[in-house]
Amino acid sequence: NAGVMQNPRHLVRRRGQEARLRCSPMKGHSHVYWYRQLPEEGLKFMVYLQKENIIDESGMPKERFSAEFPKEGPSILRIQQVVRGDSAAYFCASSQGDRNQPQHFGDGTRLSIL
Amino acid sequence: GENVEQHPSTLSVQEGDSAVIKCTYSDSASNYFPWYKQELGKRPQLIIDIRSNVGEKKDQRIAVTLNKTAKHFSLHITETQPEDSAVYFCAASLAGDKVIFGPGTSLSVIP
Repeated sequence: NAGVMQNPRHLVRRRGQEARLRCSPMKGHSHVYWYRQLPEEGLKFMVYLQKENIIDESGMPKERFSAEFPKEGPSILRIQQVVRGDSAAYFCASSQGDRNQPQHFGDGTRLSIL
Repeated sequence: GENVEQHPSTLSVQEGDSAVIKCTYSDSASNYFPWYKQELGKRPQLIIDIRSNVGEKKDQRIAVTLNKTAKHFSLHITETQPEDSAVYFCAASLAGDKVIFGPGTSLSVIP
């Protein structure tokens, strides 16, 4: 049973480019969460999605960031016109969706902005 | 707003000693409390969790206690080993199947 799969593991972009981060949840999981982690800091919630629905995006910056979880395919976190401050590790987690089920994390995508 | 505090931020113990990490939460509706271990450069991994209908849960060398009245919960690691060295995060559930994480405790086990 494959775990949460994220790709790419490392992504380098120049300022102004777009970054696309992908996350495939564990089999049987219908809920996806995205977190951002700066070096030596904690996990900051960004967005929570179910298939075709954004449930909670209270942690997402209002501009340049968007997320989707289409009916088919992985969840995508999209960052437009990246800036140096976007450099971080972005982790995806998934859960079964029943109340208070544990979230399981992927290996993350390390985004570096040149 | 909702908040989870975690103490200490760093902790060093001798191999074989016990380690205790404490967390407090603000949302009285929280009823699920997972703990994660994150080794350097790796994913956070769930190590134990507790729901509000129990006060204590144990799994080999790790245990978690919960005091809902005081809104705090703790992670206890006994007989620590060097491989326990990592950053540990507590978390508390919020309405809507979201959890909020504490800022983390960096644990160093000295051989």
